[in-house]
Amino acid sequence: QVQLQESGPRLVKPSQTLSLTCPVSGGSISSGSYYWTWIRQPAEKGLEWIGRIYSSGNTNYNPSLKSRVTISIDTSKNQFSLNLSSVTAADTAVYYCASGVGAAPATDYVEYFDYWGQGTLVTVSS
Amino acid sequence: DIQMTQSPSSLSASVGDRVTITCRASQSISIYLNWYQQRPGKAPKVLIYAASSLQTGAPSRFSGSGSGTEFTLTISSLQPEDFATYFCQQSYNIPWTFGQGTKVEVK
Repeated sequence: QVQLQESGPRLVKPSQTLSLTCPVSGGSISSGSYYWTWIRQPAEKGLEWIGRIYSSGNTNYNPSLKSRVTISIDTSKNQFSLNLSSVTAADTAVYYCASGVGAAPATDYVEYFDYWGQGTLVTVSS
Repeated sequence: DIQMTQSPSSLSASVGDRVTITCRASQSISIYLNWYQQRPGKAPKVLIYAASSLQTGAPSRFSGSGSGTEFTLTISSLQPEDFATYFCQQSYNIPWTFGQGTKVEVK
């Protein structure tokens, strides 16, 4: 079973860059069956999808964050990472890494998030 | 972006109750709809994918239905471990978006 665990600084100063890493265990990050994604959740609020990366390095980002987000992958270390630049207090949230997979129970190939890290609270404050 | 709207935002129920949560999409998303359960302090866990397919390991008391713009998640007989928040999520168009959540509380 795939396991993920977010790691990185819990406190980031305004205007700086938030950096998190997600090592993957129990499976290869190079598996073509999965993509790797970041999702965040501000306190007492809903979930916001940040972006995803395939083992090929191809990425998709949420347009609302695209100018500040970079997701990268290191297949040699079996991990992927998130960088979010120019952070403000509005970026304070629990950040989750997760794996994405697809299934086609009928004719449609539907993607969903099957394995998640436990989440890490990142606070933006001076 | 596709807006996902859940109703109700919260509900109170008792063990054994049948519970139904609705999720509406701002445009048709066919069956590209997933449901997640989030217990306090924990990561979300997928229950239903593709509107009605039960994820491996999810209890059979959970079921999903719908297509197009309206979807439902039903818990046939609420169990103590089901008191949690439930989110719908569309994977029809990027950016993937979630509903605001429905909190199921003890009555």
